[in-house]
Parts: sequence; C-alpha cells; structure tokens
Amino acid sequence: ETGVTQTPRHLVMGMTNKKSLKCEQHLGHNAMYWYKQSAKKPLELMFVYNFKEQTENNSVPSRFSPECPNSSHLFLHLHTLQPEDSALYLCASSQESSGRGQEQFFGPGTRLTVL
Amino acid sequence: DAKTTQPTSMDCAEGRAANLPCNHSTISGNEYVYWYRQIHSQGPQYIIHGLKNNETNEMASLIITEDRKSSTLILPHATLRDTAVYYCIVRVSGYALNFGKGTSLLVTP
Repeated sequence: ETGVTQTPRHLVMGMTNKKSLKCEQHLGHNAMYWYKQSAKKPLELMFVYNFKEQTENNSVPSRFSPECPNSSHLFLHLHTLQPEDSALYLCASSQESSGRGQEQFFGPGTRLTVL
Repeated sequence: DAKTTQPTSMDCAEGRAANLPCNHSTISGNEYVYWYRQIHSQGPQYIIHGLKNNETNEMASLIITEDRKSSTLILPHATLRDTAVYYCIVRVSGYALNFGKGTSLLVTP
C-alpha cells in the first residue's frame, strides 16, 4: 500500500458515456498528478495540481477534465472518449511538485476500456 | 531533463545480485537520478534516488559514477517478486517524471 488509492480499479464505458475516476491520498501531500499508460508506451503525464491549483496540462484533449477539490482528492472526469483512450490511468502524489529530490507515490491505477 | 539509456531487458537468477545500468551522459549538476519500478499492471513504485553520493536503502543500492554520467541500481538478492520494469529517470525539478521504456528484469528460479 502506497497511501494512494484509486477507484474504480476497472472501468468499461461506451463512447457516449460520462464517468469519473477518483484518486485519494492519505500522505498529507500537496501535489497530485494524473498519468496515462497506453499499451507498450511509456507513462505520459496528463495533469499536475499543486496546492489545489492546476499547474500543468500536458496538451490533454478536453474530453478529459480534471478536478482537485482539496489536496487529498483528485478526479478525472471523462466524456465522449474514443477507443484509443483505453489505457491504465495512474494517479500519484508528492509532498509538493517543485521541490527537488522528492519521490512520487503512485496508486494502483484504473484500467479503462472504451468500447 | 537529461535523457537516459537503459538496456531493454535483463535476466537474473534468484538469490543473485541484479545490477541494472543506466547511462545519463548529458546530466547536469543539479539533476537527481531516480529509480522506479513497475510490476505488471500495477502503479510504479519508488525505489531510490541520489544526486552525487552512493545511496542505500532497504530495497536497493544506487551507485553513481564520479562523473555522474552513469549509474547502477543494485538489488542485492533478487527474488521472483523483483521481476518488473525498472525505470531510470533524471530530473532536476518540476512536475513530471519522464518515464522512458525502462529495463524489463526477469528473475528466474
């Protein structure tokens, strides 16, 4: 257990559905991240929040909409996704995002399949 | 962030030391070397990081060459549960961990 939980662990959705992924960290961290891992590709950073403020959007399509209501929770709202969006979505947290020598702690991920 | 080069795959016998190399010849003076691993279908797990000096923790040792252009992660007594993809990442600051393709380590009985 890393102290970062993600729900659901698996999600199957149609292209017209709206769903949300949830991440919660119990580590007292101030930075949270969304990463995407497609089959046979490296992890790609999607969004970064630092002290609840979005500090980075890595050119992610608008069909992915993040929300960070507080430093412990992070959501990824999904709508009108495409089959190529099927991937493992990983949440991570760290003490804060700009410091050096700080490790990130990852959740187990949500395996998303878009039909 | 500096680019890293790692072998695509390695094998190691159970109980032996696993030595995973990483080249980072363009590393700058204020960049840290991080190691993470990812067991199949799980989230990445932090292992260790260092700047200049060698580091050791309960999981592994990190040996950084004096010129800092390469490093080696050492798992002293590999077990079957150490089978995973190991990522060497060089990072100065900022937000993202730039994961490359890593080294796929297979520990065999």
